[in-house]
Amino acid sequence: KNQVEQSPQSLIILEGKNCTLQCNYTVSPFSNLRWYKQDTGRGPVSLTIMTFSENTKSNGRYTATLDADTKQSSLHITASQLSDSASYICVVSDRGGSYIPTFGRGTSLIVHP
Amino acid sequence: DVKVTQSSRYLVKRTGEKVFLECVQDMDHENMFWYRQDPGLGLRLIYFSYDVKMKEKGDIPEGYSVSREKKERFSLILESASTNQTSMYLCASGYGTGSQNIQYFGAGTRLSVL
Repeated sequence: KNQVEQSPQSLIILEGKNCTLQCNYTVSPFSNLRWYKQDTGRGPVSLTIMTFSENTKSNGRYTATLDADTKQSSLHITASQLSDSASYICVVSDRGGSYIPTFGRGTSLIVHP
Repeated sequence: DVKVTQSSRYLVKRTGEKVFLECVQDMDHENMFWYRQDPGLGLRLIYFSYDVKMKEKGDIPEGYSVSREKKERFSLILESASTNQTSMYLCASGYGTGSQNIQYFGAGTRLSVL
């Protein structure tokens, strides 16, 4: 069964600090991995998408990495801001005929001033 | 920009009421989805549709039904709302399968059943 595990479940950091969120998956055959940001009370918004051949992708202060061999991804946030406080969800799709990707349960990040 | 619009941001209903949650997308996407999101459980798929008038059960369809009469609109129906259906409901749309299956989400409807 396809699974996506995220860690940590929650994280509290001070404004200006960096942090890294982890995502491990068992989805096979792998197609792509996406990181979404979900602000409280809002829908998820896509941050990055990576396919099998991509190792890293950046979106401003957000940098996602992918190791398809170990089936791991990370999302690194640089110089955190208060607006980074949100839930970050890792989503993985397979190359089969499924309409449904596999969602992680998310990491809740709180940035304190 | 892709736009997925959910008709209500907040909704309060009484137990036993019939509840309609509406979702409209403007990108001519084939696929539309309804999820519910609860703390600690992540997103769970209720129903999805890959074409007009087509529907497929997701992981937790009990107590829900859906309607897709037009390509751009996907409705979630709670036939008789219960308190355990209090949750955040998210609609998504997308196209294709597998590697092409990218989902775009609406802002969500927070439903409270009293």
